[in-house]
Amino acid sequence: DGGITQSPKYLFRKEGQNVTLSCEQNLNHDAMYWYRQDPGQGLRLIYYSQIVNDFQKGDIAEGYSVSREKKESFPLTVTSAQKNPTAFYLCASSPAASSGNTIYFGEGSWLTVV
Amino acid sequence: AQSVTQLGSHVSVSEGALVLLRCNYSSSVPPYLFWYVQYPNQGLQLLLKYTTGATLVKGINGFEAEFKKSETSFHLTKPSAHMSDAAEYFCAVRLSGGSNYKLTFGKGTLLTVNP
Repeated sequence: DGGITQSPKYLFRKEGQNVTLSCEQNLNHDAMYWYRQDPGQGLRLIYYSQIVNDFQKGDIAEGYSVSREKKESFPLTVTSAQKNPTAFYLCASSPAASSGNTIYFGEGSWLTVV
Repeated sequence: AQSVTQLGSHVSVSEGALVLLRCNYSSSVPPYLFWYVQYPNQGLQLLLKYTTGATLVKGINGFEAEFKKSETSFHLTKPSAHMSDAAEYFCAVRLSGGSNYKLTFGKGTLLTVNP
């Protein structure tokens, strides 16, 4: 099936540790995105990538890092510098970096800092 | 720049009643507008979108929305609510043209459907 796969679904991290969330898509989409969702705050853009080997900061990039070495993969690292990392993280992709195109979402990953 | 305001963080309706979820936007250029639905513990699914053309847009599951430029609104409606419509709904805006890829979301409206 075509789609966006995020893993793991649930992840627990100790304070001070870095953790990487995986996002893979087999839709042949050029653009990929990471959003963070907190209750009552909607979705906020962390990073986005329009093409391989290129990415831009979104609204809340501090404490996060990404890479885009392959078209189908866009992993997100939550570093120890992120002050409040507990949240639901959503990866997304779209066919091309055109503003009329639909953005498709994965099933999300829950990160909890313990 | 663009922004979205969803009026009402929680809307409750009876099964069979009209569903109306409100969305107003702010945009410096003609916008592209989207409604997404999210079921608990899942990702977002596109309900419908407006880019150009007809201002009344029909989506999945019997939902529709009308783009009203004069009111800067894009309200979501469904004539008759079903129990399966209970979910959180997000309105989103994107600037048309150029290289603006950012999709800005409202804070969401939780829809409850009572039997």
